Amino acid sequence: GAGVSQSPSNKVTEKGKDVELRCDPISGHTALYWYRQSLGQGLEFLIYFQGNSAPDKSGLPSDRFSAERTGGSVSTLTIQRTQQEDSAVYLCASSSDSGMWTSSYNEQFFGPGTRLTVL
Amino acid sequence: QKEVEQNSGPLSVPEGAIASLNCTYSDRGSQSFFWYRQYSGKSPELIMFIYSNGDKEDGRFTAQLNKASQYVSLLIRDSQPSDSATYLCAAIDSWGKLQFGAGTQVVVTP
Repeated sequence: GAGVSQSPSNKVTEKGKDVELRCDPISGHTALYWYRQSLGQGLEFLIYFQGNSAPDKSGLPSDRFSAERTGGSVSTLTIQRTQQEDSAVYLCASSSDSGMWTSSYNEQFFGPGTRLTVL
Repeated sequence: QKEVEQNSGPLSVPEGAIASLNCTYSDRGSQSFFWYRQYSGKSPELIMFIYSNGDKEDGRFTAQLNKASQYVSLLIRDSQPSDSATYLCAAIDSWGKLQFGAGTQVVVTP
């Protein structure tokens, strides 16, 4: 079946503009995660959804960042008034159940990412 | 201090040799550990996970966990050029959150 998809694959924007990044998880996966990866860095957790609710938003860097998920499927990450330090690859992952709040782990499958460049 | 630490590398390994990657973690409550491989420009893919102290082998990969010393390692035997990638260590911390290290770049030279 289809894996996690993200769009756009690349986004170049000017400082101060708003951007929307989209993630389509694997069908049936209830958990969805957003990460950010800056050049040469590991993955920085941003937000996690279980269904349509976001139990953990602790990783969002500032109030310019927001995310929503509708219908338990597609998620959109919105960055308002983009800054140059927002430039990174934004990765989305999904899993069949939330491993975050239990002792078990369900593998997170990653999408190809969106490379965001803020000029 | 990051919760999960790795040497950034690059780790240069001759083809056919063993690549040894190390990772330490600070949260003693961490119970589950993972190794992801990430090719340049690609997304991470899970290659190994380990829960118990000791060794776990899967093909050419062996993960080792020592909870007392709070380190986890990955050995790649008979390294191939196709193993050239960045390897990310990750741990589920006390809060149930998956924490990633910055990754170790491995370069296998023919």
